[in-house]
Amino acid sequence: NAGVTQTPKFRILKIGQSMTLQCTQDMNHNYMYWYRQDPGMGLKLIYYSVGAGITDKGEVPNGYNVSRSTTEDFPLRLELAAPSQTSVYFCASSPQRNQPQHFGDGTRLSIL
Amino acid sequence: RKEVEQDPGPFNVPEGATVAFNCTYSNSASQSFFWYRQDCRKEPKLLMSVYSSGNEDGRFTAQLNRASQYISLLIRDSKLSDSATYLCVVNDQGYSTLTFGKGTMLLVSP
Repeated sequence: NAGVTQTPKFRILKIGQSMTLQCTQDMNHNYMYWYRQDPGMGLKLIYYSVGAGITDKGEVPNGYNVSRSTTEDFPLRLELAAPSQTSVYFCASSPQRNQPQHFGDGTRLSIL
Repeated sequence: RKEVEQDPGPFNVPEGATVAFNCTYSNSASQSFFWYRQDCRKEPKLLMSVYSSGNEDGRFTAQLNRASQYISLLIRDSKLSDSATYLCVVNDQGYSTLTFGKGTMLLVSP
């Protein structure tokens, strides 16, 4: 039972570098989400997708890009890393929008 | 964006105590409600869904009050392992995502 798998688990970037956070789910869920969570704070939605080929912005999309070419994969791209993007990133999926979301175990990203 | 409000706590209780959290939501058209648990530096995990008639799962009881627009979580006989942050989650009609509250921290001490 893999569920939602995120890679890498930890990463340190230098300012201005780019990277892709990977997320894949094996539950055939239509909906997928990316959140960030800063220390001591709540979840903030970055982007979400309602199905392959369809993505939409969440609350804090600036500095990020996503794509959804398959049902299983929903990568998050940081093009020019900034210290403000230091955070824990969670990917989640759900069958439909009003059903519970299942989370991956997160990627801890530090930008120095 | 509609809001989900929670008391951040922390709620400090001894083992064996009963503790209750409330969560208010602003959109009267909300349809789906959940409680999640998040341990320190871990991912949120679904604790239970909240049904209109109320529901119970072992030591945990969830209630929905539509008239006053709040949901509650009651934990009986608290265990040390219940120490975590509890997130209230609401689905707003017309939105494609769930809205997560910022969470209530519970600390259970020996």
